[in-house]
Amino acid sequence: QKEVEQDPGPLSVPEGAIVSLNCTYSNSAFQYFMWYRQYSRKGPELLMYTYSSGNKEDGRFTAQVDKSSKYISLFIRDSQPSDSATYLCAFIQGAQKLVFGQGTRLTINP
Amino acid sequence: NAGVTQTPKFRILKIGQSMTLQCAQDMNHNYMYWYRQDPGMGLKLIYYSVGAGITDKGEVPNGYNVSRSTTEDFPLRLELAAPSQTSVYFCASSGTETQYFGPGTRLLVL
Repeated sequence: QKEVEQDPGPLSVPEGAIVSLNCTYSNSAFQYFMWYRQYSRKGPELLMYTYSSGNKEDGRFTAQVDKSSKYISLFIRDSQPSDSATYLCAFIQGAQKLVFGQGTRLTINP
Repeated sequence: NAGVTQTPKFRILKIGQSMTLQCAQDMNHNYMYWYRQDPGMGLKLIYYSVGAGITDKGEVPNGYNVSRSTTEDFPLRLELAAPSQTSVYFCASSGTETQYFGPGTRLLVL
């Protein structure tokens, strides 16, 4: 079983739609739960992170963590063409080391 | 404040050649990392460092070496390039949970 499972997509939605991106994980030692956004030919940049179960909101983005189910989600409301990117879930385990999901490629169509 | 810088941006190597990928950060971060990202995949950790003089292996260290003589610099050495090392290489640094990534080095081994 992979440590992190993330549907690679690609996912294509119309502008204004609500987007749901998901990851499951198997390692109970993961301490922090993160979402990185990566534009084409660029390095990843941190979008959101949390360390507890529940929801965390930042503008149009909501990160959701369910530790009991080992499941995390990222919701994007009122999606914009500028949100088109690859979204990677990531988890921290010791020494600040990150374990990444495969990434979901998202396209928002105008 | 330049953040994390990487050189070169792109390089073609012949099988068996050697090269060093340079990485520097100006944020005074203790933690530094090297990842590789293959097409359509997430990032895999090659090596990391928790401070000057201290390095450790990540998930995929074979064929690579690192050194950390200063806080700012964390070069990655490929000794005998192989086609399997064709990838995009990202360097990152962190002070706490957030990792800041460089723009990447695209390496093609032919």
